Amino acid sequence: GAVVSQHPSRVICKSGTSVKIECRSLDFQATTMFWYRQFPKQSLMLMATSNEGSKATYEQGVEKDKFLINHASLTLSTLTVTSAHPEDSSFYICSARGDDRGSSSPLHFGNGTRLTVT
Amino acid sequence: DAKTTQPNSMESNEEEPVHLPCNHSTISGTDYIHWYRQLPSQGPEYVIHGLTSNVNNRMASLAIAEDRKSSTLILHRATLRDAAVYYCILRDVQEGNTDKLIFGTGTRLQVFP
Repeated sequence: GAVVSQHPSRVICKSGTSVKIECRSLDFQATTMFWYRQFPKQSLMLMATSNEGSKATYEQGVEKDKFLINHASLTLSTLTVTSAHPEDSSFYICSARGDDRGSSSPLHFGNGTRLTVT
Repeated sequence: DAKTTQPNSMESNEEEPVHLPCNHSTISGTDYIHWYRQLPSQGPEYVIHGLTSNVNNRMASLAIAEDRKSSTLILHRATLRDAAVYYCILRDVQEGNTDKLIFGTGTRLQVFP
């Protein structure tokens, strides 16, 4: 089945630094990728939707200058948490969809990145 | 976006069937019913989806009410590895819609040996 790879799986950074998280579709071309954030004991919260070659669409309340998303190719999207603060510590998860819009086929998820900001 | 309502938690014993309910009274005619599950410290995993008819796959069965206002995910024989949070999500794949998945709170399933 389709595989989405996320890297790194865990990262610890100091407050004020930036962290980049990669999301790759390994065996299909992902025209659309979604980025989620999940705090402990809570559900996934959609942060933004990115389409290859265009600007990401951010959900209400998500700062686009703080969470930079780049979807430069059909197999790679990146999320950069800029000037990280301890409250940005969370589990970040990406998902990807191929060029099968309208087919109701499932989305494929990465295994998440646990970010800890000290 | 149409909303879903699920119980916060459910319990089961190993080897027993589990019926996980989901209410979606505001479902539209073009909404597919998707189920995902999330094991601890992992990303969500697709389980099953359907539109109107009941569906079966190797993981589970999905029973959809005739009026589509509710559905039930059926695990025929629960194992310890089925302990997870199960999410019922409506997905509208019409052209012009963003096709994003909005997660609710889900049902935390505990399986006891």
